[in-house]
Formats: sequence, structure tokens, C-alpha cells
Amino acid sequence: AQKVTQAQTEISVVEKEDVTLDCVYETRDTTYYLFWYKQPPSGELVFLIRRNSFDEQNEISGRYSWNFQKSTSSFNFTITASQVVDSAVYFCALSEARGGYQKVTFGTGTKLQVIP
Amino acid sequence: GAGVSQSPSNKVTEKGKDVELRCDPISGHTALYWYRQRLGQGLEFLIYFQGNSAPDKSGLPSDRFSAERTGESVSTLTIQRTQQEDSAVYLCASSSGPLAYNEQFFGPGTRLTVL
Repeated sequence: AQKVTQAQTEISVVEKEDVTLDCVYETRDTTYYLFWYKQPPSGELVFLIRRNSFDEQNEISGRYSWNFQKSTSSFNFTITASQVVDSAVYFCALSEARGGYQKVTFGTGTKLQVIP
Repeated sequence: GAGVSQSPSNKVTEKGKDVELRCDPISGHTALYWYRQRLGQGLEFLIYFQGNSAPDKSGLPSDRFSAERTGESVSTLTIQRTQQEDSAVYLCASSSGPLAYNEQFFGPGTRLTVL
């Protein structure tokens, strides 16, 4: 069965510190996708990144970077030089194909608080 | 273009009453999801519509919950005989298809409070 674990419930950092949000997943599929979403205090979830199971290249987008390691079933998210605007709940999700349907499993989220 | 919209944004009801929540997905999106998010919790999958196929209802917590979707447009989530434990934010999301790589676009949610 598919499962996504975000063991860190809440993290607090001081502005400009780097922070890594962990995501560990379980699946029996060889083809799947991993996502990160951000839910700011306003409440609306926003898509951040997608990664397919065959692409283990790390990705960097500005202050954000993602490290996908199939060997440890992890897809971690690092924010460099954090800012107050990064304060949000971050969700990791696993997506698989199921007979014409998309099966998406979300983690429980990590609440990040960036203190000025 | 317009994103996913939901109405009402807030709903306060008395225990035992029925409520209906509405979701307007992004035009052209064939997939539509409903989730429940209790205060400080993660997303709990409720139901998934994909085009004209039979919906995946595996997440509905009880037979008091039901949902409909007209073609590839509006969806309504109905909760009958509401209970206090139904209090939560109900999120709707849509995506452009059933493939595993499709990201979801979320609405702002409906905050339901059952007194």
C-alpha cells in the first residue's frame, strides 16, 4: 500500500537559516510521481514541484531545492536562507496510476515557522 | 483563467442538519477531488471523479456523505445529518486528467462548523 510519511510535524527556524523538510514514501509501483505543495496561512494549497520516479536528478529553483533518493525512498525539500514568507504547511504527495485513475496520497504535512 | 472556486467559504450549521458544498473546477479539467482537512491535520481523501467514469468513493467516511458531479463541471458534496466531528475545512481540487503526473489545483475550501 502507498504511504507518505512526514515525520516533522512542526519546525521553527530563524530567518536566513536553511531548513530541510523530510518526506519518506512507500510504494510497490516502479512508475510514480512525487509532489510538494505549500499551504500558506491563507489556506489555499499551491503546487511547488513534481518529480517522476525515473529522474533522480536534484532540482533547484531559486532558494528551493529538492533531493530525490530512490534508494532511501525519500524526497526531501530544502529552503535556503529562509524568509518569513516561507512560513506555511508543506505537504509531500505520492501519485500513482490505478486502472485509469490517479491515486494520490498526501503526507500529514510539516508546519514551518520562520521567525524574523 | 479562473482557478478552482468553492462555495460557501464558511458554513455554520446545527447538528443534524444537511449541508451542501459546491466546487467549480478549472474549465477543461476532467478530474475532481474532495478532501477533508481537520484543524491542524493533513488532507483526508474523500472522493475522486474522473470524466464520466464511476467515481472512487473509497474515502467517504460514512453513508451520510455523498457527492455528485455533472459531467466535467460542478460538483456538490452533501453531508446529511451533520455531526460535530464533521467540522473541518472541505477542500476541492481539480486536475487536467487521470495520469499520475497531473498536479492538482486546489480551491480555497469551505470551512464547515457544526454546532
